[in-house]
Amino acid sequence: GQQLNQSPQSMFIQEGEDVSMNCTSSSIFNTWLWYKQDPGEGPVLLIALYKAGELTSNGRLTAQFGITRKDSFLNISASIPSDVGIYFCAGRAEADSWGKFQFGAGTQVVVTP
Amino acid sequence: NAGVTQTPKFRILKIGQSMTLQCTQDMNHNYMYWYRQDPGMGLKLIYYSVGAGITDKGEVPNGYNVSRSTTEDFPLRLELAAPSQTSVYFCASSYARESPEAFFGQGTRLTVV
Repeated sequence: GQQLNQSPQSMFIQEGEDVSMNCTSSSIFNTWLWYKQDPGEGPVLLIALYKAGELTSNGRLTAQFGITRKDSFLNISASIPSDVGIYFCAGRAEADSWGKFQFGAGTQVVVTP
Repeated sequence: NAGVTQTPKFRILKIGQSMTLQCTQDMNHNYMYWYRQDPGMGLKLIYYSVGAGITDKGEVPNGYNVSRSTTEDFPLRLELAAPSQTSVYFCASSYARESPEAFFGQGTRLTVV
C-alpha cells in the first residue's frame, strides 16, 4: 500500500501568502521529488532532492530533504495566481528498486486575489 | 519539443473490450513508466521498463500488459476492460538511474462503462 502521507490535502490562500506542505513516509527514502500538475496536464518536475538535509530552491519554491530521511517539505513564497494546481511529492524508498517511485495523494492549492 | 506523447487523450470503452494506450518519447530515455491517477489517490505505478526488451511490474499491474520493443515506444495494453480501470493514465520517461526525474505525457482519460 501507499507509504507516503502528504498534507495538507488542500489549501486556500490569498495572493502574496506563503505556502507550506509536507510528505512523510513510513520507511527511509533516498530520493524525494516535488511535482506540480495543472488541470488536464501531466505532472511537471519542480525540485529533486538526493541527500538528507539538502535544501534546494527553484525561484520562489524551496524544498528540503528531511534529516530523518522520512520526510520532505515544500515551501512556496509570495504566492501568485499561477501557483494554482496540485503539488505532488514522490519518493524512492531505500529498500525499493530504482524504478519504484511512490507518490503522495497531492496538495490542491487555490490562490485567491 | 515533443517530449512524451500519449494517444489517445480520451477514450470510452465498454466492459470486456480491449485497447492499447500508446506512448512514445523522443528524448532517447532508457527508462519508461506507466502510472494511473485516481481522484485523491496520487499516482500508482503500473509497469516500468529499463530499456528495450525489459519490463517489470509496478504496484498495480493486474489487468494490464506492456511491451518495449524499441527505446521510443512503451504501449500499455488492457485486455478485458473493467470499470475499476476507469482512470487517467500517464506515461513517463527518465534518462538514467542517476537522474530519476521523470518527464510525463499529458495523460489519457479512460472511462469503462
